[in-house]
Amino acid sequence: AQSVTQPDIHITVSEGASLELRCNYSYGATPYLFWYVQSPGQGLQLLLKYFSGDTLVQGIKGFEAEFKRSQSSFNLRKPSVHWSDAAEYFCAVGPNTGTASKLTFGTGTRLQVTL
Amino acid sequence: GAGVSQSPSNKVTEKGKDVELRCDPISGHTALYWYRQSLGQGLEFLIYFQGNSAPDKSGLPSDRFSAERTGGSVSTLTIQRTQQEDSAVYLCASSPGRGVYNEQFFGPGTRLTVL
Repeated sequence: AQSVTQPDIHITVSEGASLELRCNYSYGATPYLFWYVQSPGQGLQLLLKYFSGDTLVQGIKGFEAEFKRSQSSFNLRKPSVHWSDAAEYFCAVGPNTGTASKLTFGTGTRLQVTL
Repeated sequence: GAGVSQSPSNKVTEKGKDVELRCDPISGHTALYWYRQSLGQGLEFLIYFQGNSAPDKSGLPSDRFSAERTGGSVSTLTIQRTQQEDSAVYLCASSPGRGVYNEQFFGPGTRLTVL
């Protein structure tokens, strides 16, 4: 069965510092990969996704993620964090077959940004 | 345009009572998902509707949980004889088509507390 591991439950960074959130997955084949952000009281918003091709994908709000097949990882990065980035971040995987639709989510990483 | 809306935003109920949670998807979206987000856990897939096809109910945790989608639009998630372990945030998402290739847009969720 597929699974997603986000090993860091909580991360604190200073504003302006770089950020990397880790995500490892277990899947039978190369899945589709996603990062979502959830701000307090809000629904989840898609930050970026990987389907195929270039393994470094760019997303909204200055985020990027790199797919590393050999490590089964899809880590999220941002060069300079802003206070508004404080939120919970979820990595998810989904099947790369056309009609299957279930996403499997990690348990999330809560990001705190200090000023 | 309007996003996915859910009501109520908060629901407090007593153990053993039935509850109904409502989801209004984005107009024109044919796919609708329900997820459950429990404290310290990731999002757990519950059920998926796609057009007029039979729903994928594989994520429903027990027969106390059911959902319907009327007229291919509004969906209601019903939990009968609620238990304290049902306390969670229930998230609805809609998507323009089948398959995870189509982005899922999430509502703000309904926070259910079972006393």
